[in-house]
Amino acid sequence: LQLVESGGGVVQPGRSLRLSCTVSGFNFSNFAMHWVRQAPGRGLEWVAVINYNGNNRYYADSVKGRFTISRDNGKHTLFLDMRSLRADDTAIYYCAREGGLLATTTWLNFDSWGQGTLVTVST
Amino acid sequence: DIQLTQSPSSLSASVGDRVTITCQASQDINNFLNWYQQKPGKAPRLLIYDASSLEPGVPSRFSGSGSGTHFTFTIRSLQSEDIATYYCQHYDDVPRFTFGPGTKVDLK
Repeated sequence: LQLVESGGGVVQPGRSLRLSCTVSGFNFSNFAMHWVRQAPGRGLEWVAVINYNGNNRYYADSVKGRFTISRDNGKHTLFLDMRSLRADDTAIYYCAREGGLLATTTWLNFDSWGQGTLVTVST
Repeated sequence: DIQLTQSPSSLSASVGDRVTITCQASQDINNFLNWYQQKPGKAPRLLIYDASSLEPGVPSRFSGSGSGTHFTFTIRSLQSEDIATYYCQHYDDVPRFTFGPGTKVDLK
């Protein structure tokens, strides 16, 4: 089971960035997926979740209206489109698998994680 | 919003010691609580789900208990590889996913 994030980097405030998470080793189409972030030296913050078929998406208040989570089940890939980035969005972004099978409105845990990709928002 | 507090925020213990971390919720959360381990520079790892169930593959020296507002995470006999930060995390169907601030465990 493997989750690999990519797309991080240094971006100026107000700009956009797209993160990807490519998975293998499990049936991606059967699992909801999350993004969780961690600012440098800080704790964990849940960002967004998308259900197994992409029909349900939920966001943390801190990113609502600026971030969009999506998925391509045919390519086993999860995305996070981030726009209007701010300095406080600087963090390691992890993709994580939802522990419940075929989860749509009931959630359990983050049972597998990628290694993370660092996003730095700075001039 | 539900708040989670953890205590202590950090602790030092010796190999073989019993280590206990508590997580307090600001309101009744039933048993909707998980525990994660995060080693330096690594991604978190799920250890305990639904307050007391051990994730497959996790050593049995780790355990969790509690319900309602008070939860406990225990390492029965601390090993050197257990040096990490431990987070409790609440989930519900709103959905809300809230992490505690973490407890850093290191060797004395």
